[in-house]
Amino acid sequence: AQKVTQAQTEISVVEKEDVTLDCVYETRDTTYYLFWYKQPPSGELVFLIRRNSFDEQNEISGRYSWNFQKSTSSFNFTITASQVVDSAVYFCALKRGYGQNFVFGPGTRLSVLP
Amino acid sequence: GAVVSQHPSWVICKSGTSVKIECRSLDFQATTMFWYRQFPKQSLMLMATSNEGSKATYEQGVEKDKFLINHASLTLSTLTVTSAHPEDSSFYICSARGVPNSYNEQFFGPGTRLTVL
Repeated sequence: AQKVTQAQTEISVVEKEDVTLDCVYETRDTTYYLFWYKQPPSGELVFLIRRNSFDEQNEISGRYSWNFQKSTSSFNFTITASQVVDSAVYFCALKRGYGQNFVFGPGTRLSVLP
Repeated sequence: GAVVSQHPSWVICKSGTSVKIECRSLDFQATTMFWYRQFPKQSLMLMATSNEGSKATYEQGVEKDKFLINHASLTLSTLTVTSAHPEDSSFYICSARGVPNSYNEQFFGPGTRLTVL
């Protein structure tokens, strides 16, 4: 069975602080895909990143960075110098492969205070 | 990028009525569409998988007679909530799988917020 755990239910930080959102996943597949989505109050899912299981390189995109470690089954997401506009619910998700559905984690609600 | 639309974006209905939600892939052919449900302050849970031209596959605990899914074309899947009740109030999101540019791409619609009074 596949499972995604996001241990942090809610996080509050002050603007300009760095914040890391944790994601731990479980799967028996050797090929899988990991995702992060942002869900603002409007509800629409905003795609942030996709990683396949064979690519453990960390990635940086502007203020966002991701740390993928297969040894610990983790795919953590860090926002540097957080901004109020980063306030949203963030979901980590796992997908087995082509044509398969997403398995979402419970989400982490991030509040960035001015 | 590929675009998936949903209609309506929100709907309010009376208990006992039926509501139809459409999911369309606008610029690609979607052989498979997935329907997810999200209750307030909860995560997204898969309800069913629909493949064009065949019956939908429902997840355990989802009543197929209550949530009717029709995937009649490669660009349209519909979810009909029959005899809706207040406990069906939720955010319904579809995702569509196609091959617009590369493999393993899947795109989400903007969601439909259903409120049953």
